[in-house]
Amino acid sequence: DSGVTQTPKHLITATGQRVTLRCSPRSGDLSVYWYQQSLDQGLQFLIHYYNGEERAKGNILERFSAQQFPDLHSELNLSSLELGDSALYFCASSEGTGAGGGPVTEAFFGQGTRLTVV
Amino acid sequence: AQKITQTQPGMFVQEKEAVTLDCTYDTSDPSYGLFWYKQPSSGEMIFLIYQGSYDQQNATEGRYSLNFQKARKSANLVISASQLGDSAMYFCAMREGWAAGNKLTFGGGTRVLVKP
Repeated sequence: DSGVTQTPKHLITATGQRVTLRCSPRSGDLSVYWYQQSLDQGLQFLIHYYNGEERAKGNILERFSAQQFPDLHSELNLSSLELGDSALYFCASSEGTGAGGGPVTEAFFGQGTRLTVV
Repeated sequence: AQKITQTQPGMFVQEKEAVTLDCTYDTSDPSYGLFWYKQPSSGEMIFLIYQGSYDQQNATEGRYSLNFQKARKSANLVISASQLGDSAMYFCAMREGWAAGNKLTFGGGTRVLVKP
């Protein structure tokens, strides 16, 4: 068990709908990252939040948004869903900053939310 | 530009034998980290091993070791004494420093099938 909790595990919804994916990071972790894994794009970084603030953005569509709340849990909102949004969405957490501005040496993933858009 | 390259899309390995999974990377950041993850068919991403760019010794974790060749920009994963449960997708990933957002960039993965 990585200590990162994602809900729900599975989600089936129709095109055009909106869904919210939830992530609870490991205790004490300030950073939350969202990734999308699809068959055609592989594993792609979406967005990083650190202590409630957006830190970095990757290949995240404008239809997608995220936030991190004061209790450090995070939500990824996906709207106007399309068939191509079907994917496995992962959340990962880490302590925050690496020593001397270097990379953080850990990254533990939740079990993912499998989204199917029909 | 592709930052992480895994050239082996799939491979078979005999149970109890060792297997090496290739990974090359590209970065101009002097401070970076390299990760390997295992993804079984159930889908979760399991952290296996980490190597920092300034680490002098190759990382080891149980049956996993990382053959880090900095000049060649390669970070190959070696799994010793393969077990049937090692059958999975394996991903190499790189994380650059805080200025780069600390995000993980993943390779395309290598599927390993362990034969009894």
